[in-house]
Amino acid sequence: QVQLQESGPGLVKPSETLSLTCTVSGGSISSYYWSWIRQPAGKGLEWIGRIYTSGSTNYNPSLKSRVTMSVDTSKNQFSLKLSSVTAADTAVYYCARVGGSTAYGMDVWGQGTTVTVSS
Amino acid sequence: DIQMTQSPSSVSASVGDRVTITCRASQGISSWLAWYQQKPGKAPKLLIYAASSLQSGVPSRFSGSGSGTDFTLTISSLQPEDFATYYCQQANSFPRTFGPGTKVDIK
Repeated sequence: QVQLQESGPGLVKPSETLSLTCTVSGGSISSYYWSWIRQPAGKGLEWIGRIYTSGSTNYNPSLKSRVTMSVDTSKNQFSLKLSSVTAADTAVYYCARVGGSTAYGMDVWGQGTTVTVSS
Repeated sequence: DIQMTQSPSSVSASVGDRVTITCRASQGISSWLAWYQQKPGKAPKLLIYAASSLQSGVPSRFSGSGSGTDFTLTISSLQPEDFATYYCQQANSFPRTFGPGTKVDIK
């Protein structure tokens, strides 16, 4: 049973860089796409981007200039960096796996981690 | 970007009711559509992929249909654990986009 766990600071100062890591347990990180999604409190879901285990990425154009994703297969982890954050980046951040046979549906999700941008 | 809309935005229903949620894409997405269920404080859960394929472990009272621009999620007989918010998401092109959600609550 594959499980995902997000980790990282819960509080980030404006203009700084948000850094999160998602650890994959119970299975291999290889040969899957891995996504980041965020959800401001009381609002809907926003897709941030995805990374393949080769390192190939697709980012949301609305965030592309500030987003960097990376993968470390030796640690079964992938990461998100979002630079120059503002209060608008305050949200619950989820990592998720894009299923291998789910027509790009995201079939495994982390529990989510709340990130607040505030001085 | 492909815009996803959902209707209704909320629905009040009773246990045993049949509930239908509609999702519309701003342009054709073939069958590249997924449905998710989200309960308060929890991560979304994949229910349906490829518009009509039931994800493993999801009860058969959930079904999906549609292609192109118009899609439907149906709960055939609402159960107490189904009260939640439901989101559609297109997987046809980047960026992936979600509908605004439909909240199903108790009548």
